Amino acid sequence: AQSVTQLDSHVSVSEGTPVLLRCNYSSSYSPSLFWYVQHPNKGLQLLLKYTSAATLVKGINGFEAEFKKSETSFHLTKPSAHMSDAAEYFCVVSDPSGTYKYIFGTGTRLKVLA
Amino acid sequence: EPEVTQTPSHQVTQMGQEVILRCVPISNHLYFYWYRQILGQKVEFLVSFYNNEISEKSEIFDDQFSVERPDGSNFTLKIRSTKLEDSAMYFCAQVLAQYNEQFFGPGTRLTVL
Repeated sequence: AQSVTQLDSHVSVSEGTPVLLRCNYSSSYSPSLFWYVQHPNKGLQLLLKYTSAATLVKGINGFEAEFKKSETSFHLTKPSAHMSDAAEYFCVVSDPSGTYKYIFGTGTRLKVLA
Repeated sequence: EPEVTQTPSHQVTQMGQEVILRCVPISNHLYFYWYRQILGQKVEFLVSFYNNEISEKSEIFDDQFSVERPDGSNFTLKIRSTKLEDSAMYFCAQVLAQYNEQFFGPGTRLTVL
């Protein structure tokens, strides 16, 4: 079965410092992995996706993630946090065993301090 | 980029009432999905729909829920007799043939009083 574990429910960083949001996955298949961001009272916006191409994936707003099969990880990073990055971030794996439904992690709330 | 739309954006209903949430699809779609997100919690899969049939459903998707395409275009989620615990944000999503990702609608916030 496919699953994702987001290791931190809350992360706080100062503006201008690096961001690291951790995600580990479990998959019986070669996984498709995604990061979504959700700002307060808003919908889900795709940040980036990994679908078995390059292991270092670049997304929008300066975010990137590296797929590490040996560590079963897909951590999200950004070199310098901005106040507008404060939001909830979800790591997602697509389940190919059925209808490619998404399985969401529990989310990480990122707080950016001035 | 393709956009999925949902109506209404917010629905308030009384417990026991029926609600219908609507999703306007993008052309060239493959699968439709419904997800829900209870306030402060993670997003959960409800059901997937392909070729006018339910393809997969979760344990949450009990007899109170149904999905259909009533006019061959819009894609609806119906809750027959709402409960307080149905209060959540409901997202529809689609996979398109040329993309390897799901496109989410903006969501409908359902409040059951």
